[in-house]
Amino acid sequence: AQSVTQPDIHITVSEGASLELRCNYSYGATPYLFWYVQSPGQGLQLLLKYFSGDTLVQGIKGFEAEFKRSQSSFNLRKPSVHWSDAAEYFCAVGASVTGGGNKLTFGTGTQLKVEL
Amino acid sequence: KAGVTQTPRYLIKTRGQQVTLSCSPISGHRSVSWYQQTPGQGLQFLFEYFSETQRNKGNFPGRFSGRQFSNSRSEMNVSTLELGDSALYLCASTTGAGANSPLHFGNGTRLTVT
Repeated sequence: AQSVTQPDIHITVSEGASLELRCNYSYGATPYLFWYVQSPGQGLQLLLKYFSGDTLVQGIKGFEAEFKRSQSSFNLRKPSVHWSDAAEYFCAVGASVTGGGNKLTFGTGTQLKVEL
Repeated sequence: KAGVTQTPRYLIKTRGQQVTLSCSPISGHRSVSWYQQTPGQGLQFLFEYFSETQRNKGNFPGRFSGRQFSNSRSEMNVSTLELGDSALYLCASTTGAGANSPLHFGNGTRLTVT
């Protein structure tokens, strides 16, 4: 069974500082990996995704993530955080095997607070 | 292109009642998934429909059911509501080609059971 661990429940950074949100996954094959962001009262917005190929993927809003198979990790990074980045971030894994459908397994989320 | 639309945005129901939530996917998307989000359990997969057929099902009791219509719109129903069913219910759509088709989420329906 697939699973995702986000070790940090809350993270606080100063505006302009760099950010790294951790994500570790468990899946038997090469996974499909995603990062989503959720603002209060809203649904989830896709930041970026990894399916195959280049292990460093670029997303929207200046975010990037690196897939490291040896560490089963897919950490999200941003070089300079803006106050508007304050939100909850979710890492998710999808089944890459045929017939797996579109079911995603989500981590428990990391709440990001940005100090001005 | 319009996004995923969920109605209603808010619902208040009493224990024992039933409720129906609606989801209109992005035009051209054939897969619709439902997730339950609670502070304690996080985001949990309920079920996925593709071309009017349930393709995947999560680990929820039979009180939770869904369906998809020929226009890809979907409904989910919860019968005999319990206090623990209070949650944000999120619908997501995708083209349905496989798990490498990213999900597009609606803003959810906030269900409160009293």
